[in-house]
Amino acid sequence: AQRVTQPEKLLSVFKGAPVELKCNYSYSGSPELFWYVQYSRQRLQLLLRHISRESIKGFTADLNKGETSFHLKKPFAQEEDSAMYYCALSSYNFNKFYFGSGTKLNVKP
Amino acid sequence: DAGVIQSPRHEVTEMGQEVTLRCKPISGHNSLFWYRQTMMRGLELLIYFNNNVPIDDSGMPEDRFSAKMPNASFSTLKIQPSEPRDSAVYFCASSSDRNTEAFFGQGTRLTVV
Repeated sequence: AQRVTQPEKLLSVFKGAPVELKCNYSYSGSPELFWYVQYSRQRLQLLLRHISRESIKGFTADLNKGETSFHLKKPFAQEEDSAMYYCALSSYNFNKFYFGSGTKLNVKP
Repeated sequence: DAGVIQSPRHEVTEMGQEVTLRCKPISGHNSLFWYRQTMMRGLELLIYFNNNVPIDDSGMPEDRFSAKMPNASFSTLKIQPSEPRDSAVYFCASSSDRNTEAFFGQGTRLTVV
């Protein structure tokens, strides 16, 4: 069965510290992985996707098929990064999205 | 395109009343999703439509919940009768076969008292 697991509900770091938000998945085929971000009381928006292999707002994520992980990383956290982050997986035909339970990132000054 | 449009933005209703949430997906998108967001459970997929047809409604919590998509540009999520535990933010999202990204609406914050 398809599943996305984000083990941390809350992650607090100080400004300038590295941050890693964990995401593990289970899927029987070749998944498409995403990270979505939700700033306070706003809509969810795409942060990055694994096929793009890009860095957005200093964030990167590498798909590790051996460990079935797609952890989100940023070397130096900023206060404006404080938000809710959701890891998501879509089926091979891109028609269904499964989301993790989310991790709230709190970057302290 | 204005993106996915949901209405109302906020809804406060009394227990037992019927609630209807509305969604207009992005034009040209053929997949539509309804999600419920709560502190305890995060983002739960309630139902998913493809080409206006419900494909998977296994996430719908119980018979009090129903969803329709009468055409490609409109969907509703109805709760009848509503209960306080239904209080949450309900998101609608749409995507197309050509674009792997799901676009979300602003959400409807439902409070059942």
